[in-house]
Amino acid sequence: GNSVTQMEGPVTLSEEAFLTINCTYTATGYPSLFWYVQYPGEGLQLLLKATKADDKGSNKGFEATYRKETTSFHLEKGSVQVSDSAVYFCALDQAGTALIFGKGTTLSVSS
Amino acid sequence: DTEVTQTPKHLVMGMTNKKSLKCEQHMGHRAMYWYKQKAKKPPELMFVYSYEKLSINESVPSRFSPECPNSSLLNLHLHALQPEDSALYLCASSQVPGGLHFGNGTRLTVT
Repeated sequence: GNSVTQMEGPVTLSEEAFLTINCTYTATGYPSLFWYVQYPGEGLQLLLKATKADDKGSNKGFEATYRKETTSFHLEKGSVQVSDSAVYFCALDQAGTALIFGKGTTLSVSS
Repeated sequence: DTEVTQTPKHLVMGMTNKKSLKCEQHMGHRAMYWYKQKAKKPPELMFVYSYEKLSINESVPSRFSPECPNSSLLNLHLHALQPEDSALYLCASSQVPGGLHFGNGTRLTVT
C-alpha cells in the first residue's frame, strides 16, 4: 500500500542554519506530494506541494522537489528562523481523496 | 487566518454527555474531512464527505457520528466517549483533487 517515511527528529538547529528534512514515499502511479506545518496549538497548514515528477514546490523560503527516480520529496530551507520551529508532515495523495501522512518531524530552532 | 472554522476550540465532556463539534468553510470545496490527532502523532483519518455524501468511514466507533447538513458545514456528534478519545479533532476541506485546508481544531478532553 501507499506510505510515507520521514525522519522523525527532533531536529535542533541554530538560527540561520540550513535545514533538510528527508521524506520518501511508496506508491503506485503518480501521487501528489505535500508538506504541511503545524505550529503549537494550531491545525495543519499547507506549506508547499508538487503534483508531478520534477516539480518544485516552494513557499516562505522552503523548497521541495518531486523526485520520482528516488521516490523522495525532501524539504529544504537555506536559513531557518526561530519562528520556523514547528512539526513538519510529509504527505501524499494518490486517489484525490484523503492524505497519507508521515509521522512528522519536530524542528526546534534556537537563537 | 484559517479559512476553515472550527468550534468550539476547547471542549471538556463527561463520558455520559452528548456534544457536537462544528466545522464551516466558504471556499466552495466539495470534500470535507474529520481527522483525529493525538499528541506527537500525525492526523488519522476518520470520515470523508464528498458532495455532502459520506464516502469514507475509517471503521470509526459509532459513538462518533458525522453529519454534513450542506456543502459548507460539517458536524461531528459525540456520545458516550471514552477518556482515550481525548485528542485534537481537525476538520479539513478540499477541492478534489488538491491539498487539504485544515481548521485549527477542537481540543477535546473526556473525563
